[in-house]
Amino acid sequence: SQELEQSPQSLIVQEGKNLTINCTSSKTLYGLYWYKQKYGEGLIFLMMLQKGGEEKSHEKITAKLDEKKQQSSLHITASQPSHAGIYLCGADPRKWNAGGTSYGKLTFGQGTILTVHP
Amino acid sequence: SAVISQKPSRDICQRGTSLTIQCQVDSQVTMMFWYRQQPGQSLTLIATANQGSEATYESGFVIDKFPISRPNLTFSTLTVSNMSPEDSSIYLCSVAGTVVEAFFGQGTRLTVV
Repeated sequence: SQELEQSPQSLIVQEGKNLTINCTSSKTLYGLYWYKQKYGEGLIFLMMLQKGGEEKSHEKITAKLDEKKQQSSLHITASQPSHAGIYLCGADPRKWNAGGTSYGKLTFGQGTILTVHP
Repeated sequence: SAVISQKPSRDICQRGTSLTIQCQVDSQVTMMFWYRQQPGQSLTLIATANQGSEATYESGFVIDKFPISRPNLTFSTLTVSNMSPEDSSIYLCSVAGTVVEAFFGQGTRLTVV
């Protein structure tokens, strides 16, 4: 099975600071998803990476997948209290089918709890 | 993106009873999944809800405890049967998008007393 290790497990930063969360896989990643979860709630889809070296950004959040497709990082620039929550990486352990459609059956890391102090 | 509605959003149940959680999607989707998130833990896949056939369960999860229905391409239910305090968790349904995304409902927070 695919194991995903997230680091750090928790992170406390001052508002305005930059931060990085890492997600490392024991196997090659064929699809790497980043989600944000507010305490006790559902998951908000942030980004999905497929290709080695791929990088995507949304507002102040940037996610990268390394060339070997075994490590991804999530970087938040100028953090705000609204960024606080649990960040989860998830991986689709199966290869894309011929149509390029994700099966959506994911294995998750243990999560990173982010606290941003005003 | 798909919009997923889960009901109930939370419930407190007596041990030994059962709770059925509903998941409604605003568009037809091929793949629907049910996950469990125990307190302080990450998500664990319970099963894949298959339309028109029996659900496919992951190791450690059985149909008698977590019966699942999928009557059509927009709806599924998960029942947590004969509940014990160990079943206290957040239960989430998920759907696979037509491209690459995987979306989640807002979750059902279950407390068993």
